[in-house]
Amino acid sequence: GNSVTQMEGPVTLSEEAFLTINCTYTATGYPSLFWYVQYPGEGLQLLLKATKADDKGSNKGFEATYRKETTSFHLEKGSVQVSDSAVYFCALSEYIPGTYKYIFGTGTRLKVLA
Amino acid sequence: EAGVAQSPRYKIIEKRQSVAFWCNPISGHATLYWYQQILGQGPKLLIQFQNNGVVDDSQLPKDRFSAERLKGVDSTLKIQPAKLEDSAVYLCASSLRNEQFFGPGTRLTVL
Repeated sequence: GNSVTQMEGPVTLSEEAFLTINCTYTATGYPSLFWYVQYPGEGLQLLLKATKADDKGSNKGFEATYRKETTSFHLEKGSVQVSDSAVYFCALSEYIPGTYKYIFGTGTRLKVLA
Repeated sequence: EAGVAQSPRYKIIEKRQSVAFWCNPISGHATLYWYQQILGQGPKLLIQFQNNGVVDDSQLPKDRFSAERLKGVDSTLKIQPAKLEDSAVYLCASSLRNEQFFGPGTRLTVL
């Protein structure tokens, strides 16, 4: 079945450092890909998405490109801030008649130090 | 627009007790999801509704968990009786087309 694998954390960076969180997927067909962020005590918030190969999703300085040839959707940010400290989840969606089913990775905790 | 609402936010019970969670999705969202998120893990789908019909409940422990979505709007998830391993955050989400929106979750602690 479909699955998502993301790098284990925690990832600890200094403020203004470059961030990469790796995500690879296994899927039949052509899934959409997502990054969600979860702050302490909150639900998941959609950060960005890409719906087809070579699409780049971007939001709040974060970017990820849908790479079909490497089945990857790595999250990047050029300069992280303390406020980016959170858990990041990679996910894919697969279409089932009438709706979508979502599969999540295990999450990567990011800690940014001032 | 109002987001996905869940209540209660926190619940502490003893094992073998019962508990119920409530979710109100975003208006107009036909699909509703209940997830279980154990500490340090990603969300695991328990049940997915399309309007008031069940799309997928393959990972719902049906001997103790039940869920309903009356009139295709609000939903309740019940655990009866609870076990220690049910301690987790229970997330409700709703979706329109291919975008999912999450509620704040209910943190359940079973002692």
